[in-house]
Parts: sequence; structure tokens; C-alpha cells
Amino acid sequence: NAGVTQTPKFRILKIGQSMTLQCTQDMNHNYMYWYRQDPGMGLKLIYYSVGAGITDKGEVPNGYNVSRSTTEDFPLRLELAAPSQTSVYFCASRTTGTVLGYTFGSGTRLTVV
Amino acid sequence: DAKTTQPPSMDCAEGRAANLPCNHSTISGNEYVYWYRQIHSQGPQYIIHGLKNNETNEMASLIITEDRKSSTLILPHATLRDTAVYYCIVRAVTQGGSEKLVFGKGMKLTVNP
Repeated sequence: NAGVTQTPKFRILKIGQSMTLQCTQDMNHNYMYWYRQDPGMGLKLIYYSVGAGITDKGEVPNGYNVSRSTTEDFPLRLELAAPSQTSVYFCASRTTGTVLGYTFGSGTRLTVV
Repeated sequence: DAKTTQPPSMDCAEGRAANLPCNHSTISGNEYVYWYRQIHSQGPQYIIHGLKNNETNEMASLIITEDRKSSTLILPHATLRDTAVYYCIVRAVTQGGSEKLVFGKGMKLTVNP
């Protein structure tokens, strides 16, 4: 049981490039989330999904897109990378039970230069 | 959404109990208190949650005041590996009815030898 797996672990992008951060979970969780964490700050919600085919914006969605074609996968897309998107990105999931905790991935450290 | 207030940092001696406070004076009656921690740059780790009653698991104990306006996370015998940023979070519910966690800056606990 791998939990929540994120790839890549590290990435350097040039301004204007695009990339997809991958997130997959093998726990059959309905809910999935993308957060970003800037240095010294708490996590901020970018997008979330309550099930396959359903996504919604969080606090800081600008510059990002998501899709949820399967229960397992929830990729995060950066179309035109900007230095402000330099951050650590965490994916998380949880099951439908409302009182249960989230499971987080180990993160992707992204630098835009 | 109810917000939480934590001191920015705290020190604790190894082997002693660590008592981490959290204020959530605007919490609603159906909102849970969650605790997570983040060790260095890893993904946040779920510790414990509670609604009204005190809770205990293999990691920690959670004491919630009777008026639910504050709580304390207790690590009974702190070790060096408990050094981390601890987040006290009150669960928020989005307009769509799904849950999201809102992270503040948390509190840095340093366990000293």
C-alpha cells in the first residue's frame, strides 16, 4: 500500500514553460487535494476534487489547472510557469468519512527561474 | 471558517511532556479540531482529531475545553523526532459541502536533548 505518490520530487522550470505534477493514490479515496507551501508559511489549497470528473477551486487556483479522470489520479498542470509559482506542492487524499484525517504525499519541490 | 491561534514556537526537553496550546474561540458546534505535524520538508502527518471529548491514540492526547474554545495537544514523552511544525486546524466546509483543511503558520516545537 503506497499511499499518496507524487512525481517528480524536484523540478526546475524556466519562465513560460509548462509541466504536470503527478499525484496518484491507491487507497480508493474519493477526495483529493493540491496544496502549495511557500517558505515559512502554512499550506494553501489550490484545487480539490470530490470524485472522478469533479473538481473545484481552492484559495489560490490562478495559474493552475487540474483534471480527475480516475479515482486514483489527480494531476496538477502549470501552463505558463512564473517565479511566483516557486514552491513545494503537496497532494493529499481522504476517504468519504468526514472525520477521518488526510494522507499527504511527500511533495514536489518546484523552482521557476 | 473558524480560525485558530497558536504560539509561533515552543521548546521542550527530551523525555518530558510537550503541551501544545491552541485557541479556536469562534469554532462552531459541528466543527472538529484536527492536529497535524510537518517534520522538516515532508508532507503533513495526521496526529489526532476531536469534537467534544478528550481523545488519545498511540501518538498523542487531545484535551478540548468544555466550551470548546481551546484545546491542548499532549505528547507524553517527547523525543527528538517530535521536533516539527504542529498545525491546529478547525475543519472548514466548502459551499459544495465538501471538507477542506485550512492551514495557518503552525507552531514550531523544538525538542532539546
